[in-house]
Amino acid sequence: SQQGEEDPQALSIQEGENATMNCSYKTSINNLQWYRQNSGRGLVHLILIRSNEREKHSGRLRVTLDTSKKSSSLLITASRAADTASYFCATVDLYSGAGSYQLTFGKGTKLSVIP
Amino acid sequence: DGGITQSPKYLFRKEGQNVTLSCEQNLNHDAMYWYRQDPGQGLRLIYYSQIVNDFQKGDIAEGYSVSREKKESFPLTVTSAQKNPTAFYLCASSMSLSGNYEQYFGPGTRLTVT
Repeated sequence: SQQGEEDPQALSIQEGENATMNCSYKTSINNLQWYRQNSGRGLVHLILIRSNEREKHSGRLRVTLDTSKKSSSLLITASRAADTASYFCATVDLYSGAGSYQLTFGKGTKLSVIP
Repeated sequence: DGGITQSPKYLFRKEGQNVTLSCEQNLNHDAMYWYRQDPGQGLRLIYYSQIVNDFQKGDIAEGYSVSREKKESFPLTVTSAQKNPTAFYLCASSMSLSGNYEQYFGPGTRLTVT
């Protein structure tokens, strides 16, 4: 079952602009992870934010988590053409018992950065 | 070079044939996973394994089978019972089954069944 839902489904921006993608989820989570997928390739892990964290940075990436609203956002600053990819959020449920390992992925946001 | 490899990159089969997708990792990870991705969709979990000779069904295991005879290897067989096998298949591994660890993904195998 799909847990995270990314918004927007597609985003097109000019190089140098900032890109913001949002993820909403339904249940209480242990952590939320963001992954990137270039077209036709595997996924690459970007960042993991735990349920007791509110913000995390990694290079040009900034992730926020609001557990009261069950939402997260991924901000990519000063975007580059090489950032063109699909971005997925994935959640680990807090109360799924033996399944507490399981990553549940959203459908992704397709980002196009125009040079 | 540490990583996770999948072969082949593209695979074509006739309907009714079983096909096996390879997945190997040299990251010394205990846990391995198989996902299926359809166009415009997220990933759905087929099978996972936390240790050699142990594996569990994921959300969409019907028509698939796996084995885990070695820590490094987790092949997936798509059987003729799988009603809609054409998809992009991704293998992943993580240090352990705990959801606190990131997953490392292979490059994927695109299977087309006609």
